[in-house]
Amino acid sequence: AQSVAQPEDQVNVAEGNPLTVKCTYSVSGNPYLFWYVQYPNRGLQFLLKYITGDNLVKGSYGFEAEFNKSQTSFHLKKPSALVSDSALYFCAVIPPPNAGNMLTFGGGTRLMVKP
Amino acid sequence: ETGVTQTPRHLVMGMTNKKSLKCEQHLGHNAMYWYKQSAKKPLELMFVYSLEERVENNSVPSRFSPECPNSSHLFLHLHTLQPEDSALYLCASSPGTVTDTQYFGPGTRLTVL
Repeated sequence: AQSVAQPEDQVNVAEGNPLTVKCTYSVSGNPYLFWYVQYPNRGLQFLLKYITGDNLVKGSYGFEAEFNKSQTSFHLKKPSALVSDSALYFCAVIPPPNAGNMLTFGGGTRLMVKP
Repeated sequence: ETGVTQTPRHLVMGMTNKKSLKCEQHLGHNAMYWYKQSAKKPLELMFVYSLEERVENNSVPSRFSPECPNSSHLFLHLHTLQPEDSALYLCASSPGTVTDTQYFGPGTRLTVL
């Protein structure tokens, strides 16, 4: 069973509007959660992570994500989208107890920001 | 951007060829990873080397063989591949603990004819 899911293959948003990219997980306990972004013809770049502490995590390029244990979600958000945010976004989880750094990725969500 | 490098960036090979992918990290990390990225499939972790000990995904076919001669270099040896092995192969490194961020290379685009 997949331990992390991204229910949307693509998200379309107009520049300047807020954006949300959804992620849910299905592991018990307190997982470690990550967001990565992939621009065309590039490797993945780290955006942010939740390990412990404050449920609201702020990351690179103005992105943030909120860990919601009751809804088992870790949605990625940004108040005002830029065209340059268009890319492929991956949510990833390491379930506890740790299993040798086995990061498991969701299927990815393509974000399209239109001018 | 240049913390993790991969060569070659593109590779086309026949099913009977033997080739190797190379990854090098310049970040002083202790763990290195190989991932496979196929169209319309989640990123798949193939192998992990942490402090030069190997952990592998048991679903990876034996035609893929990793080698980690030291903490800075990682190879993926390929032999008798199948067309379905065509994909983007990504290398990553991290300092070594489970909560560490992984840093990815640009990938090698492999096409098997």
